[in-house]
Amino acid sequence: DQQVKQNSPSLSVQEGRISILNCDYTNSMFDYFLWYKKYPAEGPTFLISISSIKDKNEDGRFTVFLNKSAKHLSLHIVPSQPGDSAVYFCAARKDSNYQLIWGAGTKLIIKP
Amino acid sequence: EAQVTQNPRYLITVTGKKLTVTCSQNMNHEYMSWYRQDPGLGLRQIYYSMNVEVTDKGDVPEGYKVSRKEKRNFPLILESPSPNQTSLYFCACGKGALTGELFFGEGSRLTVL
Repeated sequence: DQQVKQNSPSLSVQEGRISILNCDYTNSMFDYFLWYKKYPAEGPTFLISISSIKDKNEDGRFTVFLNKSAKHLSLHIVPSQPGDSAVYFCAARKDSNYQLIWGAGTKLIIKP
Repeated sequence: EAQVTQNPRYLITVTGKKLTVTCSQNMNHEYMSWYRQDPGLGLRQIYYSMNVEVTDKGDVPEGYKVSRKEKRNFPLILESPSPNQTSLYFCACGKGALTGELFFGEGSRLTVL
């Protein structure tokens, strides 16, 4: 039972354009959502998060949108840069602790 | 420099030969956790520890053991490894429960023949 789904295994975007990565979840009890970025041969690193009481959080080129009625969140990267090429994981938290449920990841490729 | 250090980074072993993957953090974080990453499945939690001498099972604990005798160390023990434990393993520690943000090690790729 995958409670957090990233339905696109990969995504290819032209440098300078917007990258949109999507994540769907099934459990309405999740209270926090996080995005992590992972380069090959490295561990995931925290990118941006959003509380369930908000619908948008922005940090530089990265913006996360949360649509609770649709149980959907998305990560927007504008403009996309070559260094953004990585695997992006969506994760959801329940019950105000560290226990995260992870999506399978989306591999983002930024084309020059 | 804040770090989570895992060893070994790569290991090929045979079925039944006990092994330990070490994890050490220098951030003085109370929370530590082990994950495994498999294709198409994302990260799945094996065990976690909220503090010294406190450990709990995650989603896939079968075949693994952990211990937390000191705050900085959280070793993962495979008493009798099997081929289905071939995976990429990550250790993580927690910055603060409010946000759930985790810091990860670089990963340990384990192959069990």
